[in-house]
Amino acid sequence: GAVVSQHPSWVICKSGTSVKIECRSLDFQATTMFWYRQFPKQSLMLMATSNEGSKATYEQGVEKDKFLINHASLTLSTLTVTSAHPEDSSFYICSAKHPYRGNTEAFFGQGTRLTVV
Amino acid sequence: SQQGEEDPQALSIQEGENATMNCSYKTSINNLQWYRQNSGRGLVHLILIRSNEREKHSGRLRVTLDTSKKSSSLLITASRAADTASYFCATDATGTASKLTFGTGTRLQVTL
Repeated sequence: GAVVSQHPSWVICKSGTSVKIECRSLDFQATTMFWYRQFPKQSLMLMATSNEGSKATYEQGVEKDKFLINHASLTLSTLTVTSAHPEDSSFYICSAKHPYRGNTEAFFGQGTRLTVV
Repeated sequence: SQQGEEDPQALSIQEGENATMNCSYKTSINNLQWYRQNSGRGLVHLILIRSNEREKHSGRLRVTLDTSKKSSSLLITASRAADTASYFCATDATGTASKLTFGTGTRLQVTL
């Protein structure tokens, strides 16, 4: 149990277009999900905390109009990279905490590799 | 950034040897967790140690925590080629609404 599925696993898009990434908790309900960004051979940097039914909380330096987050249900959060540019190319990973496992252990999606050309 | 530091950044050992990775952090924490990431993949939770614990074991993994030094170590005993991956520590700091802050990571290479 406690599976988080992320889709797509990779995407290539043209500059100026928008890309939507989905994060689903498959067997549990997650009121809170987290979105991270990871550059090659670097650590994960938290971008935002996605809260079901309310606005996401963005970390300092992350443009909320650039990275739109929607958490419309207890099992789905989406990250939309708007007007993507090559510098947005990165590995994006979501996670969710299981509410019945002490809300401590985080379960991660497989990640989405975004390449903007 | 409150990101923690890990050392070494990279570690190469032979199968059967032990691997030790260290993590330092900056703030008071509720717990510290270790995760593993295979290249280009998501993260897998390995072990969690709470702030009031000093040592924890899980299979071939041994984690220590020294809150006075704000540091933790992960020991993998009798390493296998399949242990090759990047390892990250992550802290759940007090008063941060359960957000995880990741360390810089250690890339472990286990050769046959």
